[in-house]
Amino acid sequence: KQEVTQIPAALSVPEGENLVLNCSFTDSAIYNLQWFRQDPGKGLTSLLLIQSSQREQTSGRLNASLDKSSGRSTLYIAASQPGDSATYLCAVYGRGSTLGRLYFGRGTQLTVWP
Amino acid sequence: DTEVTQTPKHLVMGMTNKKSLKCEQHMGHRAMYWYKQKAKKPPELMFVYSYEKLSINESVPSRFSPECPNSSLLNLHLHALQPEDSALYLCASSQVLSTDTQYFGPGTRLTVL
Repeated sequence: KQEVTQIPAALSVPEGENLVLNCSFTDSAIYNLQWFRQDPGKGLTSLLLIQSSQREQTSGRLNASLDKSSGRSTLYIAASQPGDSATYLCAVYGRGSTLGRLYFGRGTQLTVWP
Repeated sequence: DTEVTQTPKHLVMGMTNKKSLKCEQHMGHRAMYWYKQKAKKPPELMFVYSYEKLSINESVPSRFSPECPNSSLLNLHLHALQPEDSALYLCASSQVLSTDTQYFGPGTRLTVL
């Protein structure tokens, strides 16, 4: 069964810092990997989707990379702002018999202080 | 429009009540999902509908009953719930049941007394 791990579990940084969130998964036979943001008590907002044939995706201050062979993805946030404070979830899409399933990590809780 | 809507936003119910959660999308998506999320935990898949047919049931107790009356609407009927069923219930949709991006709604916060 696919296991997704996110490190660190929590991160507190001052405004303006560049930071990296890590995600690892046990089964490299994935289709896509997606990064989400979740504010307390709210739903999930999609940040970036990386298809299995891609190595990275960028959106504004966010850059996500994918290395299937090592089972890792990173989310890079440039020039962090207090509004970036949220929980960031990494999820991988199943394939074959697990098609339609999203396997989530437990998230990294990010606090950016002014 | 990439919006998935869910109603109600909050729901408090007793263990003998019957209630329903509603999810709607108008993106023409043909796959819809129910997830359950407890505090400080990631979402857990409950059900998946593909072309209005139940495709995945992750061994969810029968007190949760999903329904997909048409391609835009997904319901979750609740009956005789337990306090441990209190959680955030999230609905999502995607183009088809594959590896397409899943779009999530804001969730319904359910409290069972």
